Amino acid sequence: KQEVTQIPAALSVPEGENLVLNCSFTDSAIYNLQWFRQDPGKGLTSLLLIQSSQREQTSGRLNASLDKSSGRSTLYIAASQPGDSATYLCAVRSYNQGGKLIFGQGTELSVKP
Amino acid sequence: NAGVTQTPKFRILKIGQSMTLQCTQDMNHNYMYWYRQDPGMGLKLIYYSVGAGITDKGEVPNGYNVSRSTTEDFPLRLELAAPSQTSVYFCASSEDRWTEAFFGQGTRLTVV
Repeated sequence: KQEVTQIPAALSVPEGENLVLNCSFTDSAIYNLQWFRQDPGKGLTSLLLIQSSQREQTSGRLNASLDKSSGRSTLYIAASQPGDSATYLCAVRSYNQGGKLIFGQGTELSVKP
Repeated sequence: NAGVTQTPKFRILKIGQSMTLQCTQDMNHNYMYWYRQDPGMGLKLIYYSVGAGITDKGEVPNGYNVSRSTTEDFPLRLELAAPSQTSVYFCASSEDRWTEAFFGQGTRLTVV
């Protein structure tokens, strides 16, 4: 059974810092991994999708990496801004679970001005 | 371009009542999902569908039912509402298992 873990559960940083959010998964036989952002009381917004054959994906100040063999992904946010404050979730699709999208519990990020 | 639309946005149910949460997508996606999100927790998969006429259970299916008669619609049915079903429900869709998933804005359900 695929299990997805995100550590830390919460993170507070001053504006301008570069930061890394972590996502680990137990079953390395994955199709892909997707990072989402969730603002309070809102739905999920897709940030980046990394296929199992890829090592990283970039979108603006965001860079997501994938190390399938070690079961890890990181989301790197450069030059953080208060507008980046949100909960960040990662989700994995596994071969052994028919493509179900399995989520971690998320990291709540607060960027202080 | 509406994407994934969920209705209603908010609902209060009494214990034992039933209701259907509606989910419609206009992207011709094959895969559709229902999740629930409890405070401070991640999303738990309730049911999913890989195409019209095909549904399967997720991690927490008890107390829920689904149907997928068309590509566009994937309603979630609560037959006998219980306080444990108080949660925020999200519907999502993707073209297939290799493409990104898109989410609706959620339905906040309270059972009293």
